[in-house]
Amino acid sequence: DTGVSQNPRHKITKRGQNVTFRCDPISEHNRLYWYRQTLGQGPEFLTYFQNEAQLEKSRLLSDRFSAERPKGSFSTLEIQRTEQGDSAMYLCASSSQSGANQPQHFGDGTRLSIL
Amino acid sequence: GDSVTQMEGPVTLSEEAFLTINCTYTATGYPSLFWYVQYPGEGLQLLLKATKADDKGSNKGFEATYRKETTSFHLEKGSVQVSDSAVYFCALKGSGGGADGLTFGKGTHLIIQP
Repeated sequence: DTGVSQNPRHKITKRGQNVTFRCDPISEHNRLYWYRQTLGQGPEFLTYFQNEAQLEKSRLLSDRFSAERPKGSFSTLEIQRTEQGDSAMYLCASSSQSGANQPQHFGDGTRLSIL
Repeated sequence: GDSVTQMEGPVTLSEEAFLTINCTYTATGYPSLFWYVQYPGEGLQLLLKATKADDKGSNKGFEATYRKETTSFHLEKGSVQVSDSAVYFCALKGSGGGADGLTFGKGTHLIIQP
């Protein structure tokens, strides 16, 4: 079990630029989740995938955000035309299946800073 | 919608003190409840969980009991150590249809002094 891996760890970009983050879940986990965490707050759910299908999107996920998981393994989260308010920690988690007894395992996150 | 409320921190205790971090929730149906911990410089780790009323989750000396009548899931530890210093998050996963994501509280920063 190598854990959930996220890259990059830190991303600094200018307002208006596009950014893309990658998440590699624990291998055999078919569910993958994205969250956003701002300073002093708990993580907020953005979206999740079961295999390659994106099953749910939070209302927090504006049309500037897009997530993909093309082969049901790694996932990418892209933010277009970044804004100051996008500065946050973006967390990825994975779990083996739906159901209360399967916990979500989190990566260390990608910290995005918008200049 | 679902929500989680935690006591605000920071909570500062001396080593070997008794710890309680309060957590209450609002949710329809029968959610599952979790405590996650984030140590300095590390990612979120599952500390314990409970999936139905009156269940007690426990791990590393920490305990929490799922109380449906009071919609609470308070975290307790009998004797804290300096190494327990971290941010603790209470979270729930709803039992209804819709998003499978977790709903988190704002987190409680715990500081244990030697």
